[in-house]
Amino acid sequence: GQNIDQPTEMTATEGAIVQINCTYQTSGFNGLFWYQQHAGEAPTFLSYNVLDGLEEKGRFSSFLSRSKGYSYLLLKELQMKDSASYLCAVPTDSWGKLQFGAGTQVVVTP
Amino acid sequence: GAVVSQHPSWVICKSGTSVKIECRSLDFQATTMFWYRQFPKQSLMLMATSNEGSKATYEQGVEKDKFLINHASLTLSTLTVTSAHPEDSSFYICSARTTSGADTQYFGPGTRLTVL
Repeated sequence: GQNIDQPTEMTATEGAIVQINCTYQTSGFNGLFWYQQHAGEAPTFLSYNVLDGLEEKGRFSSFLSRSKGYSYLLLKELQMKDSASYLCAVPTDSWGKLQFGAGTQVVVTP
Repeated sequence: GAVVSQHPSWVICKSGTSVKIECRSLDFQATTMFWYRQFPKQSLMLMATSNEGSKATYEQGVEKDKFLINHASLTLSTLTVTSAHPEDSSFYICSARTTSGADTQYFGPGTRLTVL
């Protein structure tokens, strides 16, 4: 089965950098997703890592180490609109059913 | 990126009525779609996996006769909440899996259901 852990909440100031860690234990690995979810809205796709290493997409980057069962999402140049819950998720079957972490609430302060 | 739409975005209905929610992948074909429910300040809860042309697979504790799922085409899945009750009031969200290019899942914007 899967066990996915991520911190509950992180607070940072505008313009700063925040790193959200996610550790997972899975018997079969088919990649790791990061989603952003604002309050009252559906999740939006941020990244999907299959191979080890860092993938950068503008202000957001995602890193994966399969041997360590570890990923992080890096948010740079934080903006107020980045205040949201960030979910890491791992597929659990061949259909792509996702197991989600509980989410990390990021609070950006002025 | 790929776009998934849901209709309606919100609905209010009387107790005992049925409500149908549509989930469409607009610019890709989705052999697999997923239906979730989310209560305020809680995590997403997967209800069922929907595969085109076959019966949906429901998660434990989800009543298949109450939440009817139909995945009639590669771009459309529907969820019908039958005989809705106030406790069914929730945020219903679908996601669609694309396997062309990167294997990724995209979420629809969600449907907020309120049962009076």
